[in-house]
Amino acid sequence: GENVEQHPSTLSVQEGDSAVIKCTYSDSASNYFPWYKQELGKGPQLIIDIRSNVGEKKDQRIAVTLNKTAKHFSLHITETQPEDSAVYFCAASSADSSYKLIFGSGTRLLVRP
Amino acid sequence: GAVVSQHPSRVICKSGTSVKIECRSLDFQATTMFWYRQFPKQSLMLMATSNEGSKATYEQGVEKDKFLINHASLTLSTLTVTSAHPEDSSFYICSAARVEALGNEQFFGPGTRLTVL
Repeated sequence: GENVEQHPSTLSVQEGDSAVIKCTYSDSASNYFPWYKQELGKGPQLIIDIRSNVGEKKDQRIAVTLNKTAKHFSLHITETQPEDSAVYFCAASSADSSYKLIFGSGTRLLVRP
Repeated sequence: GAVVSQHPSRVICKSGTSVKIECRSLDFQATTMFWYRQFPKQSLMLMATSNEGSKATYEQGVEKDKFLINHASLTLSTLTVTSAHPEDSSFYICSAARVEALGNEQFFGPGTRLTVL
């Protein structure tokens, strides 16, 4: 089955700097890769996603890149703000697995003001 | 759009009682809903996949007789934790899937914190 690894587990950056979180996946059939932001005591919120037919997607300060050959995808947050502090999860899914999401272990991002 | 609600948001119960958690997709129809459990500082663990009008599919190690799932309509799924024990205390989160050509978008509810005394 699919396995998703996420690094780093914690990330501390200065406000205004960029943050990068990386994930690798094992199942070449995976074709959908969402990123979620989870604040304390709340459910995960979809912030951006990418499908296997594109290599990069951007939404304001957030971007995601996908390298299908290497089976890895990354989340890039530019001009970080204190409100970006949260836990971020990557995930992968495919039709072969009934579209179940397999999550990474999470990255705790702290943006220092 | 794509709002998912959960009720209750927090529940405290005595050991041995049953607790029902509702998950609703408010502005879209979801043929598939998922139930997750999350322990502190850990990732989400998929418990079961719920399809409208059919029996849920449980992940390995999840007791189907303990975690009863009903998906009665395209906008409502319920999870009942039967004979709850302290080890069942956790954060339970549902998601509703909107099927598209290249895979599901899953939208998550706000979660239900269950504390079993």
